[in-house]
Amino acid sequence: DAMVIQNPRYQVTQFGKPVTLSCSQTLNHNVMYWYQQKSSQAPKLLFHYYDKDFNNEADTPDNFQSRRPNTSFCFLDIRSPGLGDAAMYLCATSRVSGENEQFFGPGTRLTVL
Amino acid sequence: SQQGEEDPQALSIQEGENATMNCSYKTSINNLQWYRQNSGRGLVHLILIRSNEREKHSGRLRVTLDTSKKSSSLLITASRAADTASYFCATYTGGFKTIFGAGTRLFVKA
Repeated sequence: DAMVIQNPRYQVTQFGKPVTLSCSQTLNHNVMYWYQQKSSQAPKLLFHYYDKDFNNEADTPDNFQSRRPNTSFCFLDIRSPGLGDAAMYLCATSRVSGENEQFFGPGTRLTVL
Repeated sequence: SQQGEEDPQALSIQEGENATMNCSYKTSINNLQWYRQNSGRGLVHLILIRSNEREKHSGRLRVTLDTSKKSSSLLITASRAADTASYFCATYTGGFKTIFGAGTRLFVKA
């Protein structure tokens, strides 16, 4: 089945220790997104890629970076995680259809000690 | 501020009852979407309603959209314990950005 896969599902890191979360998709969608979702809150868009074109949201901290080496894979790098970065990180994809229906992975729960 | 806001924040009903969730938004939209999120999981797309549509059905789901009031509602009929989840409305205004509300937490008691 075509899907969005995120690894790992749970990630524990130490304060200030860089961490990378990964996302892959078999849907062959042009657009990939990273969202941050804190407990009982709305998913908040961090950035998205349209093919190799990277678009950062204005309020995304500089601490967060992303890479998309090919259509299938996208990575979220957190250079120096703080306690406030503990959250669920969701990867999503969409076609360029003008309607923006998104397909989500299961998420990675990040804990910062 | 958020584009979409759901009401109520939490809802507890008995199995077999109907569940209604409401969403209000602030600006003109291209479409409005509803997603479900089971605890600790990703979001699943349920239904999309375009700005020129007023009502849409999918199985036990019924969505209405009132663009004059900038509001939408999601009705789940004959709810089941498996419907227990958080439900998010999301507004799409163009480009690549869809803005999610904070969600309604639905608990269906067996």
